[in-house]
Amino acid sequence: DQQVKQNSPSLSVQEGRISILNCDYTNSMFDYFLWYKKYPAEGPTFLISISSIKDKNEDGRFTVFLNKSAKHLSLHIVPSQPGDSAVYFCAASPNYNAGNMLTFGGGTRLMVKP
Amino acid sequence: DTAVSQTPKYLVTQMGNDKSIKCEQNLGHDTMYWYKQDSKKFLKIMFSYNNKELIINETVPNRFSPKSPDKAHLNLHINSLELGDSAVYFCASRGSGGEKLFFGSGTQLSVL
Repeated sequence: DQQVKQNSPSLSVQEGRISILNCDYTNSMFDYFLWYKKYPAEGPTFLISISSIKDKNEDGRFTVFLNKSAKHLSLHIVPSQPGDSAVYFCAASPNYNAGNMLTFGGGTRLMVKP
Repeated sequence: DTAVSQTPKYLVTQMGNDKSIKCEQNLGHDTMYWYKQDSKKFLKIMFSYNNKELIINETVPNRFSPKSPDKAHLNLHINSLELGDSAVYFCASRGSGGEKLFFGSGTQLSVL
């Protein structure tokens, strides 16, 4: 029973275009959401987060949108660059300081073509 | 000057053997974790330690025993390895009051 789902295992985008990665969750107790990026043979690294009191958080080329009623969040990367090619994990927790309770999705592999 | 380092990076062993994976963080964090990335690529928490004390043990078989000699180290010892233990194991750490986890680069364990 996966509480955090990333239904697209892979996504291919042309350089310069927008990449949209999606994430759905089922647990209404989740209150804080994070995106991690993972290159091959490396550990995941934190990318961006959002609290449920917001519906959007932006950091440079990366923007995360949260739709609480739909239990859905998305990560937008614009413009996409070849260096963005990686696996992106969505994660959720019941609150900001609950690192112990992070639940991860299965990841989406993004390929940005030059 | 790697923040979270784990060794070895690759571990190939026979069923029934006992092996250890070591993890060290130099971030001064209080909390350390072991995560397992299974064949379906989901990252699942196994253990969480805060200041050398076990906080979480998520339905992990007793064959897995974490040990934290100090708050900068969290090692994972696995007894009687089974085929199903084959996975990538990630160590991670988190500072107090922070939401971000900092991960090591992973240990790919293959049990033959």
